[in-house]
Amino acid sequence: QQQVKQSPQSLIVQKGGISIINCAYENTAFDYFPWYQQFPGKGPALLIAIRPDVSEKKEGRFTISFNKSAKQFSLHIMDSQPGDSATYFCAASKATDSWGKLQFGAGTQVVVTP
Amino acid sequence: DTEVTQTPKHLVMGMTNKKSLKCEQHMGHRAMYWYKQKAKKPPELMFVYSYEKLSINESVPSRFSPECPNSSLLNLHLHALQPEDSALYLCASSPVGQGRGYTFGSGTRLTVV
Repeated sequence: QQQVKQSPQSLIVQKGGISIINCAYENTAFDYFPWYQQFPGKGPALLIAIRPDVSEKKEGRFTISFNKSAKQFSLHIMDSQPGDSATYFCAASKATDSWGKLQFGAGTQVVVTP
Repeated sequence: DTEVTQTPKHLVMGMTNKKSLKCEQHMGHRAMYWYKQKAKKPPELMFVYSYEKLSINESVPSRFSPECPNSSLLNLHLHALQPEDSALYLCASSPVGQGRGYTFGSGTRLTVV
């Protein structure tokens, strides 16, 4: 059973547009929500992360919005660029998991067209 | 040094071969992980080492054998693999606990023939 549900599976956006990826979770014990960016043949790289006591976090063109009551969080990529074409994974973890086990979403393949 | 280095980058092996994947980090992280990733899927946790001791084995078949010789090195020994074991094998490290501060390596692309 997937503990973090991610949508859409894929999306195509024009250069300069906004990419939006959504994730939902059930376990309220999760207290750390990172997003990873992965290019083909490479490992996932941490893009941005948020904790549930914050509703929004912005780093450059990337913004996480967090809705604790709805148990949802989303990644917005503003002014999308062809170099943003990659697979994006949301994830969640909880402090009671002593060994840092990340629960990943299924992933979203983003294609930014020129 | 903020990298996790994995070698080799690519590996092709027969089903009767024995090979090893290597991972090294010098960030002082005391938790190290092996993940397996199939195409278009998220990484799946295989093993967790904490302070050089195996802490989690996610019911991985015995043909995969992890080893943590010291706090900077992590190996994955492979023996008698099946074609369905072909995947990207990722190593990661983090400060102990809580899933924060993960750094992934670039992975080893393994093909079993």
